[in-house]
Amino acid sequence: DVKVTQSSRYLVKRTGEKVFLECVQDMDHENMFWYRQDPGLGLRLIYFSYDVKMKEKGDIPEGYSVSREKKERFSLILESASTNQTSMYLCASSRVVHEQYFGPGTRLTVT
Amino acid sequence: GQQLNQSPQSMFIQEGEDVSMNCTSSSIFNTWLWYKQDPGEGPVLLIALYKAGELTSNGRLTAQFGITRKDSFLNISASIPSDVGIYFCAGQRGAQKLVFGQGTRLTINP
Repeated sequence: DVKVTQSSRYLVKRTGEKVFLECVQDMDHENMFWYRQDPGLGLRLIYFSYDVKMKEKGDIPEGYSVSREKKERFSLILESASTNQTSMYLCASSRVVHEQYFGPGTRLTVT
Repeated sequence: GQQLNQSPQSMFIQEGEDVSMNCTSSSIFNTWLWYKQDPGEGPVLLIALYKAGELTSNGRLTAQFGITRKDSFLNISASIPSDVGIYFCAGQRGAQKLVFGQGTRLTINP
């Protein structure tokens, strides 16, 4: 069974803080993705990575950065958290792009 | 970025009823996908469609890849309580990333 784990289920941070969201997968997948999920907007891609140290911008990369130092780990970084980044963040991994396995999500609240 | 138009946004049905939802796009996709998200979990892939006109079933779920390649449909027959959740369509062009619809939230009254 593919397992994608995310470091926290719930997180509360203050405006201006630097926030790290961690994602780990155990299936040796090349591809990893970060999405945010908002009601009425579905899933929107923030960043993705096809290989270690490789990263590509998704549809909404502003205010975010990522790091992939090891194949199994993909981190999302909010350099200076803002209230409009309050959202559910989902990580996914895959061998082929369309068959993505998602983690349980991190619900981030920025106050 | 491009989004898919998914409808309806929410559905309230009685247990045992059939469900239909659809997804449309202004662009052509080579692959159409349907994911389901259970409450408190990440989405899980239900069905993948690879050819225009293709009709694929997975138990009580049936999905179709529209002939124009710009739309897809998902039907659930004889709904049961565990069908509750959010259903997302997604499209893929070539080897690129997925584009997701806004989701359809399904609520079932017992």
